[in-house]
Amino acid sequence: DAKTTQPTSMDCAEGRAANLPCNHSTISGNEYVYWYRQIHSQGPQYIIHGLKNNETNEMASLIITEDRKSSTLILPHATLRDTAVYYCIVRPGQGFQKLVFGTGTRLLVSP
Amino acid sequence: NAGVMQNPRHLVRRRGQEARLRCSPMKGHSHVYWYRQLPEEGLKFMVYLQKENIIDESGMPKERFSAEFPKEGPSILRIQQVVRGDSAAYFCASSIRGEGRYEQYFGPGTRLTVT
Repeated sequence: DAKTTQPTSMDCAEGRAANLPCNHSTISGNEYVYWYRQIHSQGPQYIIHGLKNNETNEMASLIITEDRKSSTLILPHATLRDTAVYYCIVRPGQGFQKLVFGTGTRLLVSP
Repeated sequence: NAGVMQNPRHLVRRRGQEARLRCSPMKGHSHVYWYRQLPEEGLKFMVYLQKENIIDESGMPKERFSAEFPKEGPSILRIQQVVRGDSAAYFCASSIRGEGRYEQYFGPGTRLTVT
């Protein structure tokens, strides 16, 4: 019952920016956009989340369109260690809300 | 500031035995969640606990599985009479608050193999 659509896989050259898109056309006003990644066999790693405004931290930038129906996660200078499955998750901000993981985007960063 | 800790990292059990998985949340976090990832499948929510309370166990199998988060000590996920289908990676996460606007941080997981 994931509410997002992501490409199955993407490739990126090492050192280039990786732009991972996510569609969430049915997002509600109180729902946040979360990004996690899972490097092979490891626990999911929190990357970033946002509600309306674009967000940036030491790992990545999150660009949310004005209508909030889609977003893009940007890894500015991808490295081989960024190879992972990236999950875009929409989650209400109020009340307890579990994380619902879809199938994500498998990003392969190559030399 | 240590992250979420889980032990053991790997656990092998024979069919019919019990498995106990432990999770220590991040410092200052009192909300704990358990997720399961079956081989070649996605992560699925199992249960959400606060200290001494189970808040949501909608993802827990009805039989053989139980979870607790006592006042002192780690959270425990207990699987009784394990079967081969229980073989999976079990991940624990914690957050400072339970509301959806607060991020969850995950541990490295416990990989359970049932032989």
